[in-house]
Amino acid sequence: QQPVQSPQAVILREGEDAVINCSSSKALYSVHWYRQKHGEAPVFLMILLKGGEQKGHEKISASFNEKKQQSSLYLTASQLSYSGTYFCGTEIRGGSNYKLTFGKGTLLTVNP
Amino acid sequence: DTAVSQTPKYLVTQMGNDKSIKCEQNLGHDTMYWYKQDSKKFLKIMFSYNNKELIINETVPNRFSPKSPDKAHLNLHINSLELGDSAVYFCASSQGPSPLHFGNGTRLTVT
Repeated sequence: QQPVQSPQAVILREGEDAVINCSSSKALYSVHWYRQKHGEAPVFLMILLKGGEQKGHEKISASFNEKKQQSSLYLTASQLSYSGTYFCGTEIRGGSNYKLTFGKGTLLTVNP
Repeated sequence: DTAVSQTPKYLVTQMGNDKSIKCEQNLGHDTMYWYKQDSKKFLKIMFSYNNKELIINETVPNRFSPKSPDKAHLNLHINSLELGDSAVYFCASSQGPSPLHFGNGTRLTVT
């Protein structure tokens, strides 16, 4: 039930764009995106709910394709501060016994 | 001020020892979790408590025993530590099905 993330790693120059994908073989209720910098805790970026809209946070946005059970995270005009490992977390059903299952992460490196 | 705090930050111990990690959240959340992050950065849920009640117990060895004295605290006790237990353990909290707030992690090294 672990979602599959791609790519595993990506290297950008400052100002370039990137897309990180997350897919599941199960019907998803929600998809979360988190960023973890080296030696720190994961930090919540955004959540996409079933039937919800595309979300955005400054130059980082995400979409959720319910038919394909896929989500994509879009980073535009990347900044050095975007470097880190990005995780998608998927929730298979809502309600009680809420559980997020994380993908293996995508290591994003932004160079000057 | 810290929302989710874990202690200790680092834990170095020998095989066979017993150790505990403590977690406290001041966000008023009703659900708390333990996640394990291995050397490959894979974040795997171990336990989840809702209002002091265990609701998720993944396939975790019996040597790991969580305890929640109240909904603001969730501790993790590990018996007979093994080399494979070396990892970073993250505590997290949420208000029901909402974003997780993670603690800063406890890096456990078993020698």
